[in-house]
Amino acid sequence: DQQVKQNSPSLSVQEGRISILNCDYTNSMFDYFLWYKKYPAEGPTFLISISSIKDKNEDGRFTVFLNKSAKHLSLHIVPSQPGDSAVYFCAATGTYKYIFGTGTRLKVLA
Amino acid sequence: DAGVIQSPRHEVTEMGQEVTLRCKPISGHDYLFWYRQTMMRGLELLIYFNNNVPIDDSGMPEDRFSAKMPNASFSTLKIQPSEPRDSAVYFCASSLSSGVYEQYFGPGTRLTVT
Repeated sequence: DQQVKQNSPSLSVQEGRISILNCDYTNSMFDYFLWYKKYPAEGPTFLISISSIKDKNEDGRFTVFLNKSAKHLSLHIVPSQPGDSAVYFCAATGTYKYIFGTGTRLKVLA
Repeated sequence: DAGVIQSPRHEVTEMGQEVTLRCKPISGHDYLFWYRQTMMRGLELLIYFNNNVPIDDSGMPEDRFSAKMPNASFSTLKIQPSEPRDSAVYFCASSLSSGVYEQYFGPGTRLTVT
């Protein structure tokens, strides 16, 4: 049973445009959500997070939106850069135990 | 700080052999996590420890898998006997129990069982 789903395995975006990565979850007990970025042959690195008491969190070019009623979160990258090409994982937690999605591979085309 | 250290980075072994993966968490972190990454299932949590004590091992696939944390600076994940379906990338991560949920991942061990 996949509690956290990333339904798009891949996404291609032109440099300078917006990248939107989506994530859905099923467990209403999750109260904290995170996005991780992973380059090949490296471990995932933390990108941005959001608490369930907020609906938006912004950090530079990265913004995460949370829609609790729809159990949906999204990561917006504006503007997209070639260095953003990586696999992005969303994760949800209600404790120290994370549940990760399967990842979305983003390719930013120069 | 050197970050989370994992060894070996790559492991190739034959079916039936014992495999031991090693992890050194970030100094001062009191949570340690073992994950497995596959194409089909993404990042799966296998087990996690708090202050060297296993808290949740519900993700360990079967009895062939075992994990230990003898002290705050070292953990092992052992597979005995290994099978081809165990081929994956195994990550170790650590975090503080300060209420901040960010986990710091090691570079991973790519395991291939032939």
